[in-house]
Amino acid sequence: DIQMTQSPSFLSASVGDRVTINCKASQNINKYLNWYQQKLGEAPKRLIYNTNNLQTGIPSRFSGSGSGTDYTLTISSLQPEDFATYFCLQHNSFPWTFGGGTKLELK
Amino acid sequence: EVQLVESGGGLVQPGRSLKLSCAASGFTFSDYYMAWVRQAPTKGLEWVASISYDGGSTYYRDSVKGRFTISRDNAKSSLYLQMDSLRSEDTATYYCIVAAAYWGQGTLVTVSS
Repeated sequence: DIQMTQSPSFLSASVGDRVTINCKASQNINKYLNWYQQKLGEAPKRLIYNTNNLQTGIPSRFSGSGSGTDYTLTISSLQPEDFATYFCLQHNSFPWTFGGGTKLELK
Repeated sequence: EVQLVESGGGLVQPGRSLKLSCAASGFTFSDYYMAWVRQAPTKGLEWVASISYDGGSTYYRDSVKGRFTISRDNAKSSLYLQMDSLRSEDTATYYCIVAAAYWGQGTLVTVSS
């Protein structure tokens, strides 16, 4: 199974900050990496698919990059509604595996 | 608008069975792979199973192989998860997902005596 190591687990930031969240795969996942946002009591929402493709309707302050085993989600300027939990998913091969999540909190 | 509505969760004793359903709308159901993903209380996300467009191919995580069966009815735009021989470690919220994109709200399964 491909292991996904996500960091950091917790992130404290302020409105307007630029933040990055990382996922490292235990082997090459060929850019089949999605990023999701989940708020308490809500279903996860896809932000980015296949490394760097912005989901329709998602603000452009969200972006993704990476290749091989290393992937990054960047939020260029945090907005109040962005404080949530973020996680990555590799869907290059079964079993799909998720990162452990990053809880983004207001400083 | 894509909608996925799960149902069928509840409290069940260890060793018993439960069948989850997911009613899909807002997209051409038969054009997409579907999946079930679960999240145990205060834990991370775990992929459970996937099924191909026509149901001809299915995939499972090792811990549920032989106990869970994923299926679909394209005429009804519905996805199912038959869960047999349930264990306490199967306790989780189960989400129906289309193409790793859209998620339902989830249905809670609690396995406890």
